[in-house]
Amino acid sequence: SAVISQKPSRDICQRGTSLTIQCQVDSQVTMMFWYRQQPGQSLTLIATANQGSEATYESGFVIDKFPISRPNLTFSTLTVSNMSPEDSSIYLCSGASGRSAGELFFGEGSRLTVL
Amino acid sequence: AQKVTQAQTEISVVEKEDVTLDCVYETRDTTYYLFWYKQPPSGELVFLIRRNSFDEQNEISGRYSWNFQKSTSSFNFTITASQVVDSAVYFCALSEPSSGNTPLVFGKGTRLSVIA
Repeated sequence: SAVISQKPSRDICQRGTSLTIQCQVDSQVTMMFWYRQQPGQSLTLIATANQGSEATYESGFVIDKFPISRPNLTFSTLTVSNMSPEDSSIYLCSGASGRSAGELFFGEGSRLTVL
Repeated sequence: AQKVTQAQTEISVVEKEDVTLDCVYETRDTTYYLFWYKQPPSGELVFLIRRNSFDEQNEISGRYSWNFQKSTSSFNFTITASQVVDSAVYFCALSEPSSGNTPLVFGKGTRLSVIA
């Protein structure tokens, strides 16, 4: 299984600022995804991070708010822009390899609190 | 469209009791994968099991067991002789990888509290 590392693991941010979360995997994965988990809620897919091209966003999420990069197979970033308290969530990076069709591995998550 | 329903929002049991977490899913695909993940209070997601749609055999792993029934579109999870360390939120999830690796759709989760 892949090991996925995220940082920061948690942060407290001020309204109106932006924060970039980094995700590093220890082996090549074919697909990388970013999920959001709002307090007490389930996981919602934000976008698929595509290597070397623009991410594919789910309904309700836009690039201006959540810019995503994936410069290579093992690294991706998610930026939460112009944050508001409603953005307080756990953001999780996940990856899937072709060897385990359909199985996702998750990072530890980044817990953001916006004041 | 894919959908995963976990009707039980919260369950509390006394230590050593058995508990079953329900999961019902909807999919139009004949090939799909079902998962259970555990999310302890620390927040990370821990993979528990993956089951593909062609394998209806029940599975047992220690105190954990899973009952997959395609006829009722259910994939229930039972913890035998529950322990306090089992307290967590448990998520059932579905994937349809017919066009390659696809992201998971998660149920809303069931919060399990095991009381000593």
